Amino acid sequence: KNQVEQSPQSLIILEGKNCTLQCNYTVSPFSNLRWYKQDTGRGPVSLTIMTFSENTKSNGRYTATLDADTKQSSLHITASQLSDSASYICVVSAYGNNRLAFGKGNQVVVIP
Amino acid sequence: EAGVAQSPRYKIIEKRQSVAFWCNPISGHATLYWYQQILGQGPKLLIQFQNNGVVDDSQLPKDRFSAERLKGVDSTLKIQPAKLEDSAVYLCASSGPGQGASPLHFGNGTRLTVT
Repeated sequence: KNQVEQSPQSLIILEGKNCTLQCNYTVSPFSNLRWYKQDTGRGPVSLTIMTFSENTKSNGRYTATLDADTKQSSLHITASQLSDSASYICVVSAYGNNRLAFGKGNQVVVIP
Repeated sequence: EAGVAQSPRYKIIEKRQSVAFWCNPISGHATLYWYQQILGQGPKLLIQFQNNGVVDDSQLPKDRFSAERLKGVDSTLKIQPAKLEDSAVYLCASSGPGQGASPLHFGNGTRLTVT
């Protein structure tokens, strides 16, 4: 079973609207969680990192939240733009383990 | 700073042929990763290097895949012989010090199609 589950698998939103992506994880002991954005045909790029003590962090129109008790994170996109069309991948790191746990990604399509 | 460079960008081969991918990480990054990403999936780690030593290759199909990182800088990943299920994007990434604390910097990948 994958240690990182993301939902929804894909969604289509109108330009200017908001959306929220979910990431649930079972990785333990938790070290940090990153959200990456992967444009079509490109490698993933880090958007934000969440550590155990952080509840929310913003990067422009992207806001990530973390609930370490329920092992859930979300990525909220405000006022979506066409350039937000991409796959958003949740990656979780555990203490004492070199290997990162990747989700399958949330595929977002923004239409005009 | 220059990003992670990968080549070739695309490769089409027939099954049972061999293929090699090249990666040049960000200067000074000691850790280098090769990932396989099948369409619609997240990246799957194939091998992780720390300088020129292997840290994790537990998911590398060693009967057909090999990788090396001579001199702790550039790296090559080879597949011989290729199978249809090897069709995927092969991503190289590098990171700075602080396992887990530093982000992965990915190249744009090599898209391999095996026919």
